[in-house]
Amino acid sequence: AQSVAQPEDQVNVAEGNPLTVKCTYSVSGNPYLFWYVQYPNRGLQFLLKYITGDNLVKGSYGFEAEFNKSQTSFHLKKPSALVSDSALYFCAVRPLYSSASKIIFGSGTRLSIRP
Amino acid sequence: GAVVSQHPSWVICKSGTSVKIECRSLDFQATTMFWYRQFPKQSLMLMATSNEGSKATYEQGVEKDKFLINHASLTLSTLTVTSAHPEDSSFYICSARSGRSIYEQYFGPGTRLTVT
Repeated sequence: AQSVAQPEDQVNVAEGNPLTVKCTYSVSGNPYLFWYVQYPNRGLQFLLKYITGDNLVKGSYGFEAEFNKSQTSFHLKKPSALVSDSALYFCAVRPLYSSASKIIFGSGTRLSIRP
Repeated sequence: GAVVSQHPSWVICKSGTSVKIECRSLDFQATTMFWYRQFPKQSLMLMATSNEGSKATYEQGVEKDKFLINHASLTLSTLTVTSAHPEDSSFYICSARSGRSIYEQYFGPGTRLTVT
């Protein structure tokens, strides 16, 4: 079965420190990978995607993610966290051969940045 | 660009009534729209996929007759929750995909439905 795993329900980081939000996936073939952020009572905002090419992808608000094919991971990173980064983060994958453009979401990780 | 709106942003209705939620792509044509449901502190669950002018494709376990989806134009899709019950209370999010990009979906801000 195709799936996305975010092993941490919550990540707590002090402001100014680097942050990592983990994501691993299990799909057939090479997937398209995404990170989204959700603020309270809001829809999802796109952060970044990996389709092909360089394994390190840079996205919005200073976030980046590294695609690791051997580990089937796509961890989200930021060198220096801001309090305003506190939100719910979703990793998502669209299998390459998904004819319906379905996106499979992980369970989400709540990121809390303390001042 | 690529803005998706939803209306209403929140709605309270009585048990047994029906409620319609609109999803609009404001600055692009959405060939495909998706409807998701999100329970508190949980991930998004895909309910159905709709292509303009054709019937929606529902995910397993989603009642077609209860969650009516219409994608009448390239900028509008509607979700009607019929005969709503308290267990239908949830956060409903739509997303849209344009014909120009097969990679990205643009999400609406969501609609909070509370059934009393």
